[in-house]
Amino acid sequence: DTAVSQTPKYLVTQMGNDKSIKCEQNLGHDTMYWYKQDSKKFLKIMFSYNNKELIINETVPNRFSPKSPDKAHLNLHINSLELGDSAVYFCASSDPGAVLPYEQYFGPGTRLTVT
Amino acid sequence: QKEVEQDPGPLSVPEGAIVSLNCTYSNSAFQYFMWYRQYSRKGPELLMYTYSSGNKEDGRFTAQVDKSSKYISLFIRDSQPSDSATYLCAMSAPSSASKIIFGSGTRLSIRP
Repeated sequence: DTAVSQTPKYLVTQMGNDKSIKCEQNLGHDTMYWYKQDSKKFLKIMFSYNNKELIINETVPNRFSPKSPDKAHLNLHINSLELGDSAVYFCASSDPGAVLPYEQYFGPGTRLTVT
Repeated sequence: QKEVEQDPGPLSVPEGAIVSLNCTYSNSAFQYFMWYRQYSRKGPELLMYTYSSGNKEDGRFTAQVDKSSKYISLFIRDSQPSDSATYLCAMSAPSSASKIIFGSGTRLSIRP
């Protein structure tokens, strides 16, 4: 059973296109996240939702729009893709009520390449 | 200056060696300190955690936190080729436990 899954795993697209990445978790967690990991492995938080409500919104271009249809899903839509958007995007989830509320479970990542 | 600084490596050591990985940080509000391990082409997974200062041991792994110096370490004893991965330090403050700040990761390679 996959705890946090993302689709697609790889995404190659041209500049200017619009694309979406989907994330689903079956852990029953209330909080979900999107991270961007650049080529130097720096992992930076972009957004966080708690039970479908946006709680963290870092300095991210407004071309990026997260959507949480329910607490098990968090999707990321990117408009007008740019070369600098090329990175690996990770979805994660956590349970704020757990013994370790800061333990986050990560998906396998979506490798986005913009040409 | 980044909130969390970590030497990116790469670090290559022979099998059986003791490995020391370190991070420094600037935000004195951080109370939760973690180490995540990330294998190639995979998502990070939590390896060790400590709350506030002190040491914690789990098998071959020991995590240390020195809040007075704003310095955290991860030691790996009897390193194995399967320990080859990128290790990311991470930390958060009690007021925002959901928001974790990650270091840039140290790539570690254990030579058989």
